[in-house]
Amino acid sequence: GAGVSQSPRYKVAKRGQDVALRCDPISGHVSLFWYQQALGQGPEFLTYFQNEAQLDKSGLPSDRFFAERPEGSVSTLKIQRTQQEDSAVYLCASLRTSGVLGEQFFGPGTRLTVL
Amino acid sequence: QQQVKQSPQSLIVQKGGISIINCAYENTAFDYFPWYQQFPGKGPALLIAIRPDVSEKKEGRFTISFNKSAKQFSLHIMDSQPGDSATYFCAAPYEYGNKLVFGAGTILRVKS
Repeated sequence: GAGVSQSPRYKVAKRGQDVALRCDPISGHVSLFWYQQALGQGPEFLTYFQNEAQLDKSGLPSDRFFAERPEGSVSTLKIQRTQQEDSAVYLCASLRTSGVLGEQFFGPGTRLTVL
Repeated sequence: QQQVKQSPQSLIVQKGGISIINCAYENTAFDYFPWYQQFPGKGPALLIAIRPDVSEKKEGRFTISFNKSAKQFSLHIMDSQPGDSATYFCAAPYEYGNKLVFGAGTILRVKS
């Protein structure tokens, strides 16, 4: 496909369950970002990959959050022992070059609801 | 400090009117200020961005104005249309350019 895709689009989890969210960036894009967007708020930075290297994970809220991009393409955001406060839309974005200078192409997001 | 303060929170404009959204920022990694547009159920999409070696950038009906001394920039939408109804986010770069910090968003409604 031409754009960034994310799966699943919707995820309902019981508190304490582990979840894995997938992001397929645009082919060849060097940079990949994960964001968390709470209802009525702007996207909040979680982590940044340049190819397979995770250069910044300062936005991950706790050690329950883990992201990887092992081959420099597809990325997975994993949340362990989900809590109600983890309910949000998780957005993935990719960019052709390194850093943030330039257009970040966003996926449609995964809406996570923790019951 | 990594803050981007956006105002207003919501805005209603008549069709054909001018929509103005403002952002203020703290010290950034470098001068690059994008505006993103988001429709319900979609991810944000880049609308217009400025690397301000100039104080203004215009693309069609959309203009970014930049005031470096005041650390402020704004989005002007001329001849606003109902199709412009969306949420708009400003952003600024931090952390050596590895991170965009977004404002809280402005919900724009253009009445026909």
